[in-house]
Amino acid sequence: RKEVEQDPGPFNVPEGATVAFNCTYSNSASQSFFWYRQDCRKEPKLLMSVYSSGNEDGRFTAQLNRASQYISLLIRDSKLSDSATYLCVVTKPSGSARQLTFGSGTQLTVLP
Amino acid sequence: GAGVSQSPRYKVAKRGQDVALRCDPISGHVSLFWYQQALGQGPEFLTYFQNEAQLDKSGLPSDRFFAERPEGSVSTLKIQRTQQEDSAVYLCASSLRRMQVTEAFFGQGTRLTVV
Repeated sequence: RKEVEQDPGPFNVPEGATVAFNCTYSNSASQSFFWYRQDCRKEPKLLMSVYSSGNEDGRFTAQLNRASQYISLLIRDSKLSDSATYLCVVTKPSGSARQLTFGSGTQLTVLP
Repeated sequence: GAGVSQSPRYKVAKRGQDVALRCDPISGHVSLFWYQQALGQGPEFLTYFQNEAQLDKSGLPSDRFFAERPEGSVSTLKIQRTQQEDSAVYLCASSLRRMQVTEAFFGQGTRLTVV
């Protein structure tokens, strides 16, 4: 079983739609949680951190449920430019450095 | 440069060939990470440097993989006797502080194809 699991999609949604991605992680020692965005043939870029209290950044809302080991990302009023792969990421202590552990990503295509 | 720079961007190697992939981190960044990303997968951790010290190499898949960062700046990932399963994008990331992986910036990667 992978440490971080995501629905690979693809999610194809019309512009303006609301879309939600889910992610589960297996290691209860995981410490920090993030969503990264990766455009086709580009590097991953940090989208937002995820906090237990939930946090919002414009059209994006992230939630964390530590008890269920579950993370979510909600995108409201989706734009064409939101089309990308969204990577769920957790960190855990590993040796002398905390490592980023990535999910396989969920592919989103926003259609005109 | 302003960001993490990797070279070459693309590399085609014949099976059995040795390859060297270069990473120029952001100037002054202490931490440097290498990741491997296979097609359709998320990046997988390979190794971590703090300055010139390789503190974690637990993700290197075999002894054919070797990484170094001799002066605490530029890093090289070397793969000996490449195999087809080594085909992937190799991503380098750097961050300003020790172990501050959460603020790491990624380079655009080197796409390695072993034929």
